[in-house]
Amino acid sequence: AQSVTQLGSHVSVSEGALVLLRCNYSSSVPPYLFWYVQYPNQGLQLLLKYTSAATLVKGINGFEAEFKKSETSFHLTKPSAHMSDAAEYFCAVRGTGNNDMRFGAGTRLTVKP
Amino acid sequence: DAGITQSPRHKVTETGTPVTLRCHQTENHRYMYWYRQDPGHGLRLIHYSYGVKDTDKGEVSDGYSVSRSKTEDFLLTLESATSSQTSVYFCAIRFRREDTEAFFGQGTRLTVV
Repeated sequence: AQSVTQLGSHVSVSEGALVLLRCNYSSSVPPYLFWYVQYPNQGLQLLLKYTSAATLVKGINGFEAEFKKSETSFHLTKPSAHMSDAAEYFCAVRGTGNNDMRFGAGTRLTVKP
Repeated sequence: DAGITQSPRHKVTETGTPVTLRCHQTENHRYMYWYRQDPGHGLRLIHYSYGVKDTDKGEVSDGYSVSRSKTEDFLLTLESATSSQTSVYFCAIRFRREDTEAFFGQGTRLTVV
């Protein structure tokens, strides 16, 4: 069964610093991978997705992620953090031919002024 | 909001009572999902549906049942609510194409006292 592990339940960065949120997946079939963001008291919003077209995926709000099969990773990055990036971020995986989507435990990002 | 409405948005109920949460979509999407979100666990899949009257269990289905008699509605029922079912419940929908992401509703906060 597929699963994802997010390393670090809390990440704190200074405004303008690099954001790196880690996600490793486990899937017995080629996966689809997703990053979602959740702002307080809201639902989840898609940041970006990997569907095998390109290993480097660009998303909204300046975020990007790179699929590395050899490392089974799909880490999320942003070169320069903004205060508005403070939120909780979730990595998710779905195997090809599967209907369900499994999420990681989430990483709460804090951005310090 | 991707045409998803969850109702109610907030509910407080007593232990042992039945509770039904409703997810309504206007997008005619094939796949619908129910997740629960708890601190430290991310989102965990309860049940999902891949068509009218076609449903399957997720990873935390015990104590929950679902029904989908129409494409647009997916109901989640707690037959006899327990305090461990206090959570935020999210509905999600997904188009039938293989590589698509899920879109989420705003969530229902359920408290079982």
